[in-house]
Parts: sequence; structure tokens; C-alpha cells
Amino acid sequence: EVQLLESGGGLVQPGGSLRLSCAASGFTFSNYAMTWVRQAPGKGLEWVSCITKSGDTTYYADSVQGRFTISRDNSKNTLYLQMNSLRAEDMALYYCAYSTRWNYFDYWGQGTLVTVSS
Amino acid sequence: EIVLTQSPATLSLSPGERATLSCRASQSVSSYFAWYQQKPGQAPRLLIYDASNRAAGVPARFSGSGSATDFTLTISSLEPEDFAVYYCQQRSNWPITFGQGTKLEIK
Repeated sequence: EVQLLESGGGLVQPGGSLRLSCAASGFTFSNYAMTWVRQAPGKGLEWVSCITKSGDTTYYADSVQGRFTISRDNSKNTLYLQMNSLRAEDMALYYCAYSTRWNYFDYWGQGTLVTVSS
Repeated sequence: EIVLTQSPATLSLSPGERATLSCRASQSVSSYFAWYQQKPGQAPRLLIYDASNRAAGVPARFSGSGSATDFTLTISSLEPEDFAVYYCQQRSNWPITFGQGTKLEIK
């Protein structure tokens, strides 16, 4: 059974940093690109970032470019999102997801909540 | 960035009725297009990919159509569990974008 378990969310002040993790199991992690998608409270879905299966190529939404860094450790079956210079508008539930078909997200975690507030 | 505009924002129907949800792209996305369902407190679920292909386990009452800029999700006969928020998504161009959602509510 595929499982994606996000962690690392919490309360952080504006300008602060957090590192999210997504522990994957039930599939061959190193064979798939991985993605972060977020959802602000009561709002829609926003794609954040994607990393290829080898980790050599990354993609970012303009809203997080230069502040967030996606990475992965295939030996640990874990995806990461380093978030720096956090803003109020970054407050959201952050999902990790993966695609058996490139960039269609068939498996999702349950999300980890990031709250940005002073 | 490709903007996806969903309509209507809210759709009020009764079980057994037919639902038609629309999504328009600001430029052509070919058939690189998907639909998702999200229920309260749950992660999204992929329903349709490549505009018209049902994902694994999705009931046959769900169907997708369209190409280029205009897409439709049809639910042929609504079941109680179908009342949820539906999102469209394109993967044709970076950045990947989602529509703002259509809430399908019980009338």
C-alpha cells in the first residue's frame, strides 16, 4: 500500500524557516518524480514544486522561487521542502504527491500544516 | 502561466441528477488535463487524466471530455458521495496550475 507521510509543519514567525519531510513507502520511490502542493485554509490547490526521480532537475512556482528548495534522499525514501523567508501567504496545508503518469497526481499524503504568524 | 477558470463556482443539484462542470484554459493545453475530487478533510483524488481517461477505481458515472482550452467533467447520475469540490489541472506548461474549484452541493 502506498503511503506518503508528511511532517515538519508548525508555527513559525514571518521571515522564519521550516523543513518539511515526506516519508514514502509502498512503491519504488527512486523511480518517480515527487511534488509538493499546498492549500491555504478554505482555498484551492496551488502547485509548489517538483523534483525529478534522480533529483537533478527541480521546478518551482514563481511564488516560492528563491525561497523554497525541494530535495530528496532516495536512500531514505524521503522528500524534503526547505522553506525560508516565510510569509503570511505561505500559510497552508502542504501535501506531498507523486504521479505514476508525469504530473498527474494519483497519490497524496494527508498534509502537514504550516502556520506563519507573529 | 496558464490560468484555468472553472464554472460554475457552486452547483446545487439533487442525487440522481446529471452534473456538468466546466473548465476553460487561458491557452491551449492540448489534452494534458486532469480533474480531481476533494472532500472535506481529505486529500484530493485524481478522477480523470489526459482529459478523458478515468483513473483507477473511478466509477464509470464520471467522464471527461474536451481538448485545447475547453473541458468538461460530467457525472451522469449523482450519488450522495459525489458532493464535494472539484478541481481541474493542466500539466501542459510550467508552472502546473489548478482551477479555483467548483463546489458541488446538495440541493
